[in-house]
Amino acid sequence: SQTIHQWPATLVQPVGSPLSLECTVEGTSNPNLYWYRQAAGRGLQLLFYSVGIGQISSEVPQNLSASRPQDRQFILSSKKLLLSDSGFYLCAWSVEGEKLFFGSGTQLSVL
Amino acid sequence: AQRVTQPEKLLSVFKGAPVELKCNYSYSGSPELFWYVQYSRQRLQLLLRHISRESIKGFTADLNKGETSFHLKKPFAQEEDSAMYYCALSVTTDSWGKLQFGAGTQVVVTP
Repeated sequence: SQTIHQWPATLVQPVGSPLSLECTVEGTSNPNLYWYRQAAGRGLQLLFYSVGIGQISSEVPQNLSASRPQDRQFILSSKKLLLSDSGFYLCAWSVEGEKLFFGSGTQLSVL
Repeated sequence: AQRVTQPEKLLSVFKGAPVELKCNYSYSGSPELFWYVQYSRQRLQLLLRHISRESIKGFTADLNKGETSFHLKKPFAQEEDSAMYYCALSVTTDSWGKLQFGAGTQVVVTP
């Protein structure tokens, strides 16, 4: 069966520090991969999605970047975190025509 | 720009009473609409989507293009329905995962 792993569950980072959140999917091939963020009191906002290795689309201008070095690995990064990067980050995957499957999320606090 | 509005942040109902979660969207074309749910300590998951015209766990949702609404309804709420519910809109067919989410409605069902 398919599973999605996302880590870490919580992260506290100082302003200006780098960030790397990782997400991996098992049990499926060539999934579409997504990074969503939920700021306090707001709905989930799509940040990046990928339809294949090395193919990244950014939905909103921001301080973050994403990479897909392997078929089932999706990484969210930042060189220097801002206070506004705080939030709950969710990785998700889907296969064409199917529903979204979400990871358990990472709560990021930038102090 | 597309937008999904869930006017109620919190909905408190008694067990056995009807429950209706409101969702309004703004989009000039033909959208695909979804309801996602997150139960306590569980991952966000798909509840239903309008193209399937299905009833899941007693919930139904009808797309009203005239009123641009996709309200979620259940005639008799159960305690296990207590959860966070998100309405979501997809405006593209190239990826089912590119969704615009509402801010969510917390449902609390009391005995």
